Amino acid sequence: QQQVKQSPQSLIVQKGGISIINCAYENTAFDYFPWYQQFPGKGPALLIAIRPDVSEKKEGRFTISFNKSAKQFSLHIMDSQPGDSATYFCAAVGGSYIPTFGRGTSLIVHP
Amino acid sequence: KAGVTQTPRYLIKTRGQQVTLSCSPISGHRSVSWYQQTPGQGLQFLFEYFSETQRNKGNFPGRFSGRQFSNSRSEMNVSTLELGDSALYLCASSFGTGVTGELFFGEGSRLTVL
Repeated sequence: QQQVKQSPQSLIVQKGGISIINCAYENTAFDYFPWYQQFPGKGPALLIAIRPDVSEKKEGRFTISFNKSAKQFSLHIMDSQPGDSATYFCAAVGGSYIPTFGRGTSLIVHP
Repeated sequence: KAGVTQTPRYLIKTRGQQVTLSCSPISGHRSVSWYQQTPGQGLQFLFEYFSETQRNKGNFPGRFSGRQFSNSRSEMNVSTLELGDSALYLCASSFGTGVTGELFFGEGSRLTVL
């Protein structure tokens, strides 16, 4: 049973464009929603995270939008750059501290 | 501050063999988690150790096991290897207590089973 559904599986964006990745979760006990970024040959690294008491969090070009009633959250990458090309994983965490990850989105930003 | 270190980085085994992977967490981190990453399934949680005790376990067969030592270093073992065990095995560390927070991943051990 996939508790966190992530889409799209792959995404191609032109430099300067907006990249949008969506995730949906089922378990209302989740209370922490991080996004991880993974470059080839590296482990995932935390990019940005949000808790359900806010609807949006912005860090530089990266923004998380959170819709608690719909149980959905999304990552927006503004002014996408070739260096943003990576795999992005959304996750949801509850009381066990163990993230449930989405299956990942491979982002390619063309120069 | 040193990051999470995993060894070996690459290894090739044949079906039926066993393998042991090692993980050294960030200093001060007491929780170590293991994940299997494959192209089709993403990041699948194997198990988590906290203060030498397995605290959480994912849905993997008993061939997959792990342990944690008093210095928080961890090992995972896969016995009777199958072709489907070919994957990138990632270790992650965290403080493991208090407010839910960030996982710090190593670069992984890439296992190929022939």
